Amino acid sequence: GAVVSQHPSWVICKSGTSVKIECRSLDFQATTMFWYRQFPKQSLMLMATSNEGSKATYEQGVEKDKFLINHASLTLSTLTVTSAHPEDSSFYICSASVRLKNTGELFFGEGSRLTVL
Amino acid sequence: AQSVTQPDIHITVSEGASLELRCNYSYGATPYLFWYVQSPGQGLQLLLKYFSGDTLVQGIKGFEAEFKRSQSSFNLRKPSVHWSDAAEYFCAVDRSGNKGGGADGLTFGKGTHLIIQP
Repeated sequence: GAVVSQHPSWVICKSGTSVKIECRSLDFQATTMFWYRQFPKQSLMLMATSNEGSKATYEQGVEKDKFLINHASLTLSTLTVTSAHPEDSSFYICSASVRLKNTGELFFGEGSRLTVL
Repeated sequence: AQSVTQPDIHITVSEGASLELRCNYSYGATPYLFWYVQSPGQGLQLLLKYFSGDTLVQGIKGFEAEFKRSQSSFNLRKPSVHWSDAAEYFCAVDRSGNKGGGADGLTFGKGTHLIIQP
């Protein structure tokens, strides 16, 4: 099956630093990758949608200068949390849809837990 | 815009008992619907999906869901739960409605936390 891998699984950083999270599709090419944010015991909120070679599309209320998304290839998307603050602490999950297959299914990474001190 | 409602935040079921998790959606036509399961600290695993055709959908781990257009519902069921089923369950709808392809991502319900009593 389609596998999506995120790295790192968890990261702790100091306030004011930047953190990069990678999302890779291991055995397929991803048309589109999505970044979600999940607060404790809550649902997943879509942050942004990225297509390879294009600028990401951000959801309303998500600061694009704060959450930089780069989709350099059909198998890799990165989310960089710039100048992180404690309120950015959260569980970030990426997902990908399979290129050339109109299944409507998304495959999810294992998630990355960010803690900002 | 499409939306999903999961009315039950928590559900407690005895091991071996049957389970039904409720999901209601809001969309003018027939949307693409999904159920995902999330174990603590983990990503999401797809249990099943409905696009069209037979309204009773079979999924993995013994789960099934029934699409009822008249009730705008897509409830998840399992005849006999196991302790390993304890997790968070999310119902989701394709944000593009029924275009599929995953082009617009998914909108998730708030989730139902399933607790299994021994």
